[in-house]
Amino acid sequence: KAGVTQTPRYLIKTRGQQVTLSCSPISGHRSVSWYQQTPGQGLQFLFEYFSETQRNKGNFPGRFSGRQFSNSRSEMNVSTLELGDSALYLCASRTSGGFAYEQYFGPGTRLTVT
Amino acid sequence: ELKVEQNPLFLSMQEGKNYTIYCNYSTTSDRLYWYRQDPGKSLESLFVLLSNGAVKQEGRLMASLDTKARLSTLHITAAVHDLSATYFCAVEPFSNTGNQFYFGTGTSLTVIP
Repeated sequence: KAGVTQTPRYLIKTRGQQVTLSCSPISGHRSVSWYQQTPGQGLQFLFEYFSETQRNKGNFPGRFSGRQFSNSRSEMNVSTLELGDSALYLCASRTSGGFAYEQYFGPGTRLTVT
Repeated sequence: ELKVEQNPLFLSMQEGKNYTIYCNYSTTSDRLYWYRQDPGKSLESLFVLLSNGAVKQEGRLMASLDTKARLSTLHITAAVHDLSATYFCAVEPFSNTGNQFYFGTGTSLTVIP
């Protein structure tokens, strides 16, 4: 079974621009979560989507948004980029069954804002 | 807000030695996860602990969970260089409605030959 995939793997953007990151979950997984990882703040939860609906959102400004498509693929968008948005963005997928436990993480997108 | 604390933050140990990483959390939960991250890479799942008293072992790593003490430990036995990585614990609260994991700060482990 293929794992979680994320594109692009690396991205360099300028302050003020916007960016869209993509995540394809493991086949059959309907829950997709996004995390931001920085050296200073560690791993922080951004949001989670299930069946195209956002179920949970972390403490991030409205510049961070996301969506999920009917095939469970998800995108996150960051508008008006700031230097502090430079981070590794990780996507994770999870099955939705009664014994849903593990989240499986993708390889991440490394975003650098200059 | 749920807090997850790991200690130590940095650990340098010699090959062949034993050590324990601690993970304390501030809310009731019976789901605790351990992940490994190599530099520049994603998170690799190590253990899923789902109940009080759960103990899991894989090779030189053993994880345990005490939900009453809100404490999980990751014990390393006879460390080898290949175990050098950053280890994270993550807690999933009982009331989790959106698959949010709360991660610890991570423990950067360096095993010295």
